[in-house]
Parts: sequence; C-alpha cells; structure tokens
Amino acid sequence: DTAVSQTPKYLVTQMGNDKSIKCEQNLGHDTMYWYKQDSKKFLKIMFSYNNKELIINETVPNRFSPKSPDKAHLNLHINSLELGDSAVYFCASSQDWGAGTNEQFFGPGTRLTVL
Amino acid sequence: AQTVTQSQPEMSVQEAETVTLSCTYDTSENNYYLFWYKQPPSRQMILVIRQEAYKQQNATENRFSVNFQKAAKSFSLKISDSQLGDTAMYFCAFRRGGGADGLTFGKGTHLIIQP
Repeated sequence: DTAVSQTPKYLVTQMGNDKSIKCEQNLGHDTMYWYKQDSKKFLKIMFSYNNKELIINETVPNRFSPKSPDKAHLNLHINSLELGDSAVYFCASSQDWGAGTNEQFFGPGTRLTVL
Repeated sequence: AQTVTQSQPEMSVQEAETVTLSCTYDTSENNYYLFWYKQPPSRQMILVIRQEAYKQQNATENRFSVNFQKAAKSFSLKISDSQLGDTAMYFCAFRRGGGADGLTFGKGTHLIIQP
C-alpha cells in the first residue's frame, strides 16, 4: 500500500554510465516531481510533470531526462553520469487541481553514488 | 523567484522541552502555501504541518504548531514536549498556489533531542 515508491533505493555506478530511476504513485495524483538532495542536505526541484506534460524544468543539465509513460509514473534517466551527480533523488506527487491539498508526498529516495 | 531562509543550522534541547525553529521567506505572491517537513535518519520526507497563506489562524497538529506572520514573512515551528523521536532535519518549504510548482526549501535545521 506504498503511496510513492522508487526503485532502486541505492545505486552505485561508474562515471560515464547511463542509469534510470523509476517512480510510481498509487494516489491518483495528477502532478509528479523530481528533487535532488545534495551532500549538504539541500533539496532542489528538478522537474515537475502534470498529466504527463513537463511543467517545470529547472536549470538541470540535459543529461537528465524525465519520462512519464502515464500519470502514475515518472522515471528519471541520466546519461553520462558524473561525480557531481552523486546525491539522493526524491520523487514526489501531489493533487493540485480541484480539491487538492497541495501537499506533496515523497518517495523514500534513491541514493546515487558515482565512482 | 522566492527564497526560504532557515537561520539555525543545528539546535539541541532536552527531552520534554519546547523548541522553536525559525523560517523566513521572501515572495511577491499573495496565494501560497508553507510547509514544515521532517527528515529523520531514514531520509523519508514527512510532512509535519502546512499553512495556507490566506488563513490567519495558525495551524496546529498535536505537539506541533506554527507562528505565521504574513506581513513579516515569518513561519516558525514550535514543538512542545519534545521527544527523542523528534530528532531529525526539519525543512521549511514554500509553494506558490494555483499551479504545479515544486517546493522551494530552506537549508534545514538539524534538531537533536537529548535524553
């Protein structure tokens, strides 16, 4: 009955590789997000998707590409991984239209380590 | 663009004491939401409390309450009767209303509850 799930929880990889992180929400929400939390714990929005359409794309290298196959999924693909990509990546979702509460529900996070 | 400032990187109190975490923000928006999220060592992001800017009454959730001063753009969190399980990072966050915006986070306050 997990609300927002991410796989994998841990990802260790070499520089230059391509990797994906998957996110699924079973809350029926219409908006999903990706956040990055750096080594100093600072959280920053990367992308926002509403009903499979990209709404926000903050200043993120184009090596990062979100893909939303349907309203319940938002995957993050990263090409040519660099050392500086090491961080914890959080997926989140919210219901923003109609009677939404604007609260964002977060997944458990994926700790990415680039060696 | 909006900014969120948490001026206390770390705080430490004794169990059962009351503690207040400060947060200020800057925005030109009139319709917005404010949140406090807790991140324990498990790294899960947990919503503690939320406040709609249009509501004058301060939000309360059990031992957690806020002091929302809209004119001063201040949104502090008070934890009463603190418990060991309250030990965590606490993040203040801002969100513009009426859209699919992501959260803008402060840098966080590491709260330690001593036995």
